[in-house]
Amino acid sequence: AQSVTQPDIHITVSEGASLELRCNYSYGATPYLFWYVQSPGQGLQLLLKYFSGDTLVQGIKGFEAEFKRSQSSFNLRKPSVHWSDAAEYFCAVGAPYNNNDMRFGAGTRLTVKP
Amino acid sequence: EAGVAQSPRYKIIEKRQSVAFWCNPISGHATLYWYQQILGQGPKLLIQFQNNGVVDDSQLPKDRFSAERLKGVDSTLKIQPAKLEDSAVYLCASSRLPQEGYTFGSGTRLTVV
Repeated sequence: AQSVTQPDIHITVSEGASLELRCNYSYGATPYLFWYVQSPGQGLQLLLKYFSGDTLVQGIKGFEAEFKRSQSSFNLRKPSVHWSDAAEYFCAVGAPYNNNDMRFGAGTRLTVKP
Repeated sequence: EAGVAQSPRYKIIEKRQSVAFWCNPISGHATLYWYQQILGQGPKLLIQFQNNGVVDDSQLPKDRFSAERLKGVDSTLKIQPAKLEDSAVYLCASSRLPQEGYTFGSGTRLTVV
């Protein structure tokens, strides 16, 4: 089955600074890739997705992510972080050839300093 | 469009009691998922339905957990009897096509004491 690794458990950035959250996956073919955000006590909201085409994808709230097949990575970026971006971020991989189920990473908690 | 509806929002039970959660997916979404999210962890898939058939329940603890999807729409997840380690948020999600991603409900927070 597919798997996802998010190496950073917790990241702190200053407001206005750039952000990159790392995600590595393991799957035998090109997977579907997603980033979700979860605010405290809330469900998960889809930020962006990739399944084919342009490897740089744009999402909501000014986020983008780049699929790098050679590195099995799908890192999330934002050029300027806002205090409202503080939340938990989850990378997820879907398996087109294995029931299409989605597996999640353990998450990266983002803290934004004023 | 209306989102994925889940109820109840919170539930506190004693160990060995039973509990049930309800989910109403987005209209037209054929696939429905139940995830368990333990505090500090990512969501873990429990069961996946395609219409009213089970696609994947390999991670469902079948000795105590059960789930059904009535007429390919609403779904219920039951735990009987509950254990302390079942304390978690139970998330329901639905999708039209898998590559579009899933839409999640707000979840049910279960506390077993």
